[in-house]
Amino acid sequence: GQSLEQPSEVTAVEGAIVQINCTYQTSGFYGLSWYQQHDGGAPTFLSYNALDGLEETGRFSSFLSRSDSYGYLLLQELQMKDSASYFCAVKVTGGGNKLTFGTGTQLKVEL
Amino acid sequence: DTGVSQDPRHKITKRGQNVTFRCDPISEHNRLYWYRQTLGQGPEFLTYFQNEAQLEKSRLLSDRFSAERPKGSFSTLEIQRTEQGDSAMYLCASSGGLGAGTQYFGPGTRLLVL
Repeated sequence: GQSLEQPSEVTAVEGAIVQINCTYQTSGFYGLSWYQQHDGGAPTFLSYNALDGLEETGRFSSFLSRSDSYGYLLLQELQMKDSASYFCAVKVTGGGNKLTFGTGTQLKVEL
Repeated sequence: DTGVSQDPRHKITKRGQNVTFRCDPISEHNRLYWYRQTLGQGPEFLTYFQNEAQLEKSRLLSDRFSAERPKGSFSTLEIQRTEQGDSAMYLCASSGGLGAGTQYFGPGTRLLVL
């Protein structure tokens, strides 16, 4: 089976930079996705990494190290609206087309 | 691109009743997924369609659950003889050429079984 570990909660101040880590154990690995979910809302796609390295999209960046079974989401210039839950999710080889999600990291941005 | 839509957004039912949810994916997406999410957890995979073919079903999906995608466009998820444990958010997602790593979710249907 697959297991993913993320911190349950992270707090940061507006304007700061925060990193949310995700480690995974899988029987095979294809790629790592990140989703944002506000309370009561649907998950929103942020990024997908299949290869090692850093992918940047505006204020958000995502990193993957396949050899370390590790990835992170980096949020820069934090804004209050970034307060949400962030989920990492893996797509595994031989696992069909489903994503397996972590339990999520609750990010609180304070003034 | 109008995004993924789901209907209804909220459903309250009594235990033992049947319920049906509908999902309309992004029009050019041929892959459609159903997930279930409970409070404090990430979405859990239920089932996957490529066009009209149901290619995967989770072991979580008991015999009381059935899903269809008859013309490869919209999909329905039916729960028969609902139980209180079925109370959850039911999410639909779709993906296209970028593959399963890039899935776009609908707003979900929140089910409460009394």
